[in-house]
Amino acid sequence: EAGVAQSPRYKIIEKRQSVAFWCNPISGHATLYWYQQILGQGPKLLIQFQNNGVVDDSQLPKDRFSAERLKGVDSTLKIQPAKLEDSAVYLCASSSSGGGSYEQYFGPGTRLTVT
Amino acid sequence: SQQGEEDPQALSIQEGENATMNCSYKTSINNLQWYRQNSGRGLVHLILIRSNEREKHSGRLRVTLDTSKKSSSLLITASRAADTASYFCATAQHTGTASKLTFGTGTRLQVTL
Repeated sequence: EAGVAQSPRYKIIEKRQSVAFWCNPISGHATLYWYQQILGQGPKLLIQFQNNGVVDDSQLPKDRFSAERLKGVDSTLKIQPAKLEDSAVYLCASSSSGGGSYEQYFGPGTRLTVT
Repeated sequence: SQQGEEDPQALSIQEGENATMNCSYKTSINNLQWYRQNSGRGLVHLILIRSNEREKHSGRLRVTLDTSKKSSSLLITASRAADTASYFCATAQHTGTASKLTFGTGTRLQVTL
């Protein structure tokens, strides 16, 4: 079974530029998550989708971050404009059912550096 | 915000020894999960313990949960160099239609030969 795919793996941009990350979850997984992991910390949930609907985006900085999950499969996370503090690894995860009742499968992440 | 706090922040042991990591959290939970993260394989789920369980085993892993103290521990027995990684506890909370994981700050484990 193929795992969670993410691209790109690395991205370097200047502050105030925009950037987009892509995620393809495990086939059949209804729930998709985006996390931000700053160096030395644990992952922080940004947004959770159930199929193509948002169930939790309480920690998403909506003035600059946006995410969508078209057709309930792939998802993109966008940052516009980027700030220095956005430098982090952005992790995508999926699970076969909603929420924390089940294990989540993580992709390799996208390491973003904002200069 | 981080729900869990792991202790210690870093741990260095020799191969063959046991490693114990602790996690404390602040609010009520539905279950608690442990994940491992290393540079080669990303975040990997290790074990899940439900709020009505007190102990669970999986191979060389033993997890305990004390909901009265809001704490959990992860024991890795007979450690190997390949166990070198960061270990995170994550608490699951159901709120209405949503349910989410909140990760702790992690314990960095170094296993030396």
